[in-house]
Amino acid sequence: DVKVTQSSRYLVKRTGEKVFLECVQDMDHENMFWYRQDPGLGLRLIYFSYDVKMKEKGDIPEGYSVSREKKERFSLILESASTNQTSMYLCASSRFGDPQHFGDGTRLSIL
Amino acid sequence: KQEVTQIPAALSVPEGENLVLNCSFTDSAIYNLQWFRQDPGKGLTSLLLIQSSQREQTSGRLNASLDKSSGRSTLYIAASQPGDSATYLCAVRGSSGSARQLTFGSGTQLTVLP
Repeated sequence: DVKVTQSSRYLVKRTGEKVFLECVQDMDHENMFWYRQDPGLGLRLIYFSYDVKMKEKGDIPEGYSVSREKKERFSLILESASTNQTSMYLCASSRFGDPQHFGDGTRLSIL
Repeated sequence: KQEVTQIPAALSVPEGENLVLNCSFTDSAIYNLQWFRQDPGKGLTSLLLIQSSQREQTSGRLNASLDKSSGRSTLYIAASQPGDSATYLCAVRGSSGSARQLTFGSGTQLTVLP
C-alpha cells in the first residue's frame, strides 16, 4: 500500500514565524503535490513537483515556497506565517497518470 | 479555466437506499476523472479513477460513469450503509500543460441513517 506521511497532524504557530510542513512518500512516485482545503473553497493546489529539485506553481502559491531535495520528500514552507494561512494542508503523491494518494493532512492554526 | 461542480452539497438517505452523486466540469479536454472519499479530519482516499477513453469503472458497491462530451460524471452507491457516510469529492485532471493538475469539486457530504 502507498503511504504518504505528513509530519504533524496539528500545528499551532504565531504570525511572522517561518513554518515547515513535511511530507514523505514511500512508493518512489515522481509527482508530489501540496494542497490547502478550506470550507466553501474546496481543495486548492499550492505547488507541485514532477521531479527532484523541480517545482511548479499551482493556483495559490503566494506566501508559500517548496523544497524537493530528495524524491521521497516534499516540504512546504510558509516564509512568514499569517492568520489567513490557517487551514488544512494536504500532501499527495502519484506516478504520472495514476491516482493521487493523500496523507492524513496537517491542521495548521496561525495565531 | 476548468471548473468542477458537485450537486447537492449535502445528502441524507436511509440505510439500504441506492444513491447517485453528481459531478460536472466545464472543459471536456480531460485526461481522467477521479472520485475520492474524505472522512472528517482526514485525508482523501481514492475510490475510482476513470480514464478519458473509458465510460465507467466499478469497485464493489461503487460504480462511476463518465460522459466527457457533456462534462458529467456520476458516482452510484448501491445498498448504502452508515459506514458510507463521508464527503465525496470528484476531481478532474487536464490533458495538457499546466492543466495537468487536478481540479476538485467542493464535495457532497453524504449521511446514511441507520
